[in-house]
Amino acid sequence: AQSVTQLGSHVSVSEGALVLLRCNYSSSVPPYLFWYVQYPNQGLQLLLKYTTGATLVKGINGFEAEFKKSETSFHLTKPSAHMSDAAEYFCAVSEGYGGSQGNLIFGKGTKLSVKP
Amino acid sequence: NAGVTQTPKFRILKIGQSMTLQCTQDMNHNYMYWYRQDPGMGLKLIYYSVGAGITDKGEVPNGYNVSRSTTEDFPLRLELAAPSQTSVYFCASSTSGGTNEQFFGPGTRLTVL
Repeated sequence: AQSVTQLGSHVSVSEGALVLLRCNYSSSVPPYLFWYVQYPNQGLQLLLKYTTGATLVKGINGFEAEFKKSETSFHLTKPSAHMSDAAEYFCAVSEGYGGSQGNLIFGKGTKLSVKP
Repeated sequence: NAGVTQTPKFRILKIGQSMTLQCTQDMNHNYMYWYRQDPGMGLKLIYYSVGAGITDKGEVPNGYNVSRSTTEDFPLRLELAAPSQTSVYFCASSTSGGTNEQFFGPGTRLTVL
């Protein structure tokens, strides 16, 4: 079965600093990978996704992630943090094939705090 | 478009009571999902549906039931509520599976006392 591990349940950065949120997955087949963001008291929204092709994926709000097959990783980065980036971030992998192929397996999430 | 709407926003239930969480989407999506979110645990899939009349269990279906009589609606029924069902519930929809983005509702915060 596929699984997702997010290293660090809380990450704190200063405004203007690099944001790095780590995600590793396990999958026996080429995965589809996603990052979602959840702002306080809201539902999740898609930041970016990797399906096929270019391994460096750009998303909304200046975020990007790189798919590294050899490391089974899909880390999320942003060069310069903004106060509005404070939220919880979830990495997810799309499950298998067949009827359940759209189902997402989520990591436990990483809460990002941004200090002024 | 309103997207995915959920009602109610908040609810407190007593142990043993039942309730239905409503979910409606206006994007004509075939796929719909119910998740529960517990602190520090991410989201777990309860049930999903790939079209009207078709539903299937996810990872944590026990204590819940669903139906999908229309494309738009995907209600989640809790029978005999238990404290373990205290959680935040999210409904989501997508055009199809695989690579497609899931669109989430704002959630229902349920407490069972």
